[in-house]
Parts: sequence; C-alpha cells; structure tokens
Amino acid sequence: RKEVEQDPGPFNVPEGATVAFNCTYSNSASQSFFWYRQDCRKEPKLLMSVYSSGNEDGRFTAQLNRASQYISLLIRDSKLSDSATYLCAVISTGRRALTFGSGTRLQVQP
Amino acid sequence: SQTIHQWPATLVQPVGSPLSLECTVEGTSNPNLYWYRQAAGRGLQLLFYSVGIGQISSEVPQNLSASRPQDRQFILSSKKLLLSDSGFYLCAWSPGLAGDTQYFGPGTRLTVL
Repeated sequence: RKEVEQDPGPFNVPEGATVAFNCTYSNSASQSFFWYRQDCRKEPKLLMSVYSSGNEDGRFTAQLNRASQYISLLIRDSKLSDSATYLCAVISTGRRALTFGSGTRLQVQP
Repeated sequence: SQTIHQWPATLVQPVGSPLSLECTVEGTSNPNLYWYRQAAGRGLQLLFYSVGIGQISSEVPQNLSASRPQDRQFILSSKKLLLSDSGFYLCAWSPGLAGDTQYFGPGTRLTVL
C-alpha cells in the first residue's frame, strides 16, 4: 500500500462548481500535511498547509481527519485557472522530507 | 525574500554520459535542501536531502549522487546516465526545522537517449 494515495481523476467540472478531493495516508505518525498545485510541466507550488483545525484561503478549504487518516481539499466556485494537478504531501515524525501522492488532475470546463 | 534557482532548465544527454545539475537558494541561511525526481505521469520521489554542508542522506539507492559544497548550493550528479534517469528533477528548500514547508525550484527536465 502506498504511503499517500490520491484518486488520479481527472475530475471534469464546469466553471462555478464545487469540487472536493481526498487524500489518504497510511502512517499514523504523519504530522504535517500540505496541498500543492502543479501545472503541466511546472514545479509544484504550495497551495496551503493543512492544520488540525482546518484552514481556509479564499475559495479553498483544507481539512484534516486524523481518526480516518485523510486530508481533503474543497474548491468553491471553480475557475478555468484552477485546472491543474493537485498533490497532497505529508511529513512523518522523524522524517524531514515530504512524501507525495501521485496527484489528482482537475479540469474546469467553460 | 527567498528564491531558488536550478539549471539547466532542460537537458538531453546520451546514455552513459555524466550529469551535473545545480541548485542554489538565495535569501536564507542553513536551509534544508532536497532533490526529487518526477517521472512522466508519476508522483514525486525523494532522492536526497541535506541538513547542512557535506551532510547528505540518500533515500533510494541508484546511480545518482548529491553534494552540498556550500550552505546554499546543492548538486546532483551521475557518472553514467541510464535511460531510466529521464525525468523532471526538482530541488526544494525548507527553513531547516523538521516539518517545515518545502518550496520548489523551477526544475530541470532531463531526457536520456
């Protein structure tokens, strides 16, 4: 079983829709959680960190569920410019580097 | 503000040739530095990380090596490239504490023919 798993998609949604992605992690010692956005042939860029209390940044909301070991990303009012691959990443206790999921591709259509 | 540079941006190399990719960070001191590889259509795989000059940890045994000759410089090397070394190589930095957010450079796209 992969340490971090994501549905690869693609998620095809119309502009203005709300879309949610989940990401599950297998290591219960995971302590830090992130969502990155990666455009085609570009580097990943940090979208947001995920805190135990959840956090929101404009149209984006991230949640952490430690009991079920998953993190989620909710995008409201989708824009064409939101089309990208969304990567979740975790850091486990005692490790210094990120473990990434394979990403979920989002395509927002006009 | 901090910036991270990588070069070259793209590279096409024959099998068996050597490799040297460079990454430098500006605007911070004592960063943790990382090399990741992303194969086509795949996730990011950690190759090496470094918490200080001359300190390198390897995650995956392979024909690649890394060095950190200066605080803000990280180099990825190979003596003989394999076809399977093709991919998108990404350098990242974090402020130096376990659990901190990592920020990525623009990457080097390597094709081995």
